[in-house]
Order: sequence, then structure tokens, then C-alpha cells
Amino acid sequence: DSGVTQTPKHLITATGQRVTLRCSPRSGDLSVYWYQQSLDQGLQFLIQYYNGEERAKGNILERFSAQQFPDLHSELNLSSLELGDSALYFCASSVDPGNKLFFGSGTQLSVL
Amino acid sequence: GDSVTQMEGPVTLSEEAFLTINCTYTATGYPSLFWYVQYPGEGLQLLLKATKADDKGSNKGFEATYRKETTSFHLEKGSVQVSDSAVYFCALLGAGSYQLTFGKGTKLSVIP
Repeated sequence: DSGVTQTPKHLITATGQRVTLRCSPRSGDLSVYWYQQSLDQGLQFLIQYYNGEERAKGNILERFSAQQFPDLHSELNLSSLELGDSALYFCASSVDPGNKLFFGSGTQLSVL
Repeated sequence: GDSVTQMEGPVTLSEEAFLTINCTYTATGYPSLFWYVQYPGEGLQLLLKATKADDKGSNKGFEATYRKETTSFHLEKGSVQVSDSAVYFCALLGAGSYQLTFGKGTKLSVIP
């Protein structure tokens, strides 16, 4: 158990809908990262937060947004969903940027 | 930008066989290099890392040496076990960067 909790584990929704994925980092970790894993693209970095502030942005679509709350949990919001958004979304946390990452078990999103 | 290239999978080996998974990288400066492992249904876990040239990371019988002259960080294990079946990801953290860049992953299956 990495100590990083992601909910829900599975999410099935329809095109055009909006969903929210939630992540609770390990106790004491200030950095949260979101990654998207798909068969064709591999593991793609989406966005990183550190202590509530956005620190780095990767290949995140404009339809996607995220935030980190004062209690350090983070949410990834995906809107106007398309079939191609179906993927495994991972959250990871670390004590500080660049340190060892601890990954959650992921949320499997299926867009039908 | 930074990139990681690792050998295409899947790789299937018999138990006790020797394992090599090739990984090469492109980065400016002196990145840190990592191998992460993903067991079925789980998130990624750090397997080993090396932070400077000629460093050797090792863990659970796996080894990888940071070779700056060949920009490589190949993963090796002398005798694989069925329990090593997983997907292995090579990754780098660029100098001054806050997020990891991952390779596409190599699936290893070890058969008894």
C-alpha cells in the first residue's frame, strides 16, 4: 500500500459528460501529480501541484482541470468527455518536487 | 525536450533466465534516472534509481547503471522469478525539472 488513495476505482460514463477524480496523497506529502495511462500513449504527465499551487503542466487538455485543496487532497475534473479519454488515471504524491513518487492504484475511466 | 526510449515488449522469459530491458534517454544536463515497476492492478512503485553518471541503482536483485556516454540505463536481473512479471518503466527527472518523463513501459512475463 503506497498510502495514496484514489477514488473511484472505476468510472463508466457517456460522451459529453463531466467527471471528477479524487486523490488523497500520503500523509505529509505536499506534491501531487496526475498522470494518464493509455495503451497508445503510455504514461503521460498531466499536471502537478505543490502545497495548493500549480507547479508544472504537461499534456493536459483544456477540457481537463485540476486543483489541490488546503487539506492537500486533489481533484481532476474531466469535462466534455470523448471516447479517447478512456484511460487509467493515476495520482502520485511526494514530499517535495523531484523526490520519490508514490502512486495510487488509479481510476479506470471508460467513456462509452 | 526530455524523452525516454525503452525496448518494446512484451518480453517472455522462463524462470531463472537473465533479464535485460534496454532504456536510453535524451535530456539536457544531468538528469536523475529511475526504474518503476507496475504489478497487475496496482500503481507504479519505485524499483531503483541513480542520480549521477556511473551510479548503480539496485533493489530486489535488479540493477541498472547510469551510463552518460551512451545515455543509457538498462535494467538487468540475473535470475528472474514468476513474481517479477510486471510492466517496467524507465523514467528520468531532468535537471531543474519537477516531473518525471516516462518511457512507454515494457511488459515482462515470466513462465515457470
